Amino acid sequence: NAGVTQTPKFQVLKTGQSMTLQCAQDMNHNSMYWYRQDPGMGLRLIYYSASEGTTDKGEVPNGYNVSRLNKREFSLRLESAAPSQTSVYFCASSTGLFSYNEQFFGPGTRLTVL
Amino acid sequence: AQTVTQSQPEMSVQEAETVTLSCTYDTSESDYYLFWYKQPPSRQMILVIRQEAYKQQNATENRFSVNFQKAAKSFSLKISDSQLGDAAMYFCAYSGYALNFGKGTSLLVTP
Repeated sequence: NAGVTQTPKFQVLKTGQSMTLQCAQDMNHNSMYWYRQDPGMGLRLIYYSASEGTTDKGEVPNGYNVSRLNKREFSLRLESAAPSQTSVYFCASSTGLFSYNEQFFGPGTRLTVL
Repeated sequence: AQTVTQSQPEMSVQEAETVTLSCTYDTSESDYYLFWYKQPPSRQMILVIRQEAYKQQNATENRFSVNFQKAAKSFSLKISDSQLGDAAMYFCAYSGYALNFGKGTSLLVTP
């Protein structure tokens, strides 16, 4: 099992460019999440998907869109990148939504917006 | 919204010694869950230990244990017999409606 995979690992964008971060899990998990990690800020929830076909906003959703393509895949899109979106992005998945279920994290994507 | 506070940005411990990392949280919910995650330099987030709020017994996982004080809203992590591989960022997290993380504590382990 690969667990949670993310592509790409690194990306540099210019302001205004768009891109999609890909995430896939092979653990048959129902719930998936996108976080961003900024220095000194911990992890903050951007969007989450309780189950296939549903998505909801988290703490910091502005400037992002998501798609739960199927049970395995959950993508994060930046339509018009801004320097404030420079961060490390983590995808995670779990059996059920939040609660006691352990969230399994991908290796992260380091995004720099110039 | 729930907040999680880790008041120690950095901690240091000698190999084989014991260290305690602090975490407090704010919530009005009665049923929730608490976690400690470890993030080594590889950036991979790894679950260390978890606690259910309705369980009074403190969770333990090998060298890792917690001191959960529900009334005080405190959830500290104790690492016994510290090893060089324990060096990492440690994040406390609260799970109720959403998973909220603290800002982290950087743990340095010296030989």
